[in-house]
Amino acid sequence: GQQLNQSPQSMFIQEGEDVSMNCTSSSIFNTWLWYKQDPGEGPVLLIALYKAGELTSNGRLTAQFGITRKDSFLNISASIPSDVGIYFCAGLTNTGNQFYFGTGTSLTVIP
Amino acid sequence: NAGVMQNPRHLVRRRGQEARLRCSPMKGHSHVYWYRQLPEEGLKFMVYLQKENIIDESGMPKERFSAEFPKEGPSILRIQQVVRGDSAAYFCASSPQAGELFFGEGSRLTVL
Repeated sequence: GQQLNQSPQSMFIQEGEDVSMNCTSSSIFNTWLWYKQDPGEGPVLLIALYKAGELTSNGRLTAQFGITRKDSFLNISASIPSDVGIYFCAGLTNTGNQFYFGTGTSLTVIP
Repeated sequence: NAGVMQNPRHLVRRRGQEARLRCSPMKGHSHVYWYRQLPEEGLKFMVYLQKENIIDESGMPKERFSAEFPKEGPSILRIQQVVRGDSAAYFCASSPQAGELFFGEGSRLTVL
């Protein structure tokens, strides 16, 4: 199956700092989704991207659909303790029926 | 509008028993996906269904696993003769069309 490489694998940051994480693929995707998962819960959709170059914000979160269509970025500004969790990217190819998920970025925010 | 509903949230089975996991998609959603997640890992695709049809089951093990999404009622993921390696969290997601996935809270299967 498709491989989505997500980095970094984990991050430890101070409250108030900005966070950046990214997802890359060897294949072209036509949809990118970003999720946050808390322990024992299901993933919650944060941002959806449908067009190359698209930049979309949701509160303190901003995500971009890379121009090459092989990558996507998620930024979190002014992090707060409730941002703690695991962030996953997911992508859909134009020929596929399934969303492929990245390996996740574990975020820890130190108050 | 209720979200994706999965039950049971937790299920314990002994080796050799059957596990049935249910998923009711969001209202108006006709696409259902099942994913499996092991601890500290990402989500692995299992199967994609639309009403009464299996569209893509390329992620499903060939034996013991089956899925359905009948015209009426929830989608069912069925695991026969469970083994310890089947212990995992199984997530269902629904979509109105292929575009966005909305996940349920998951069903956590423990095989003793």
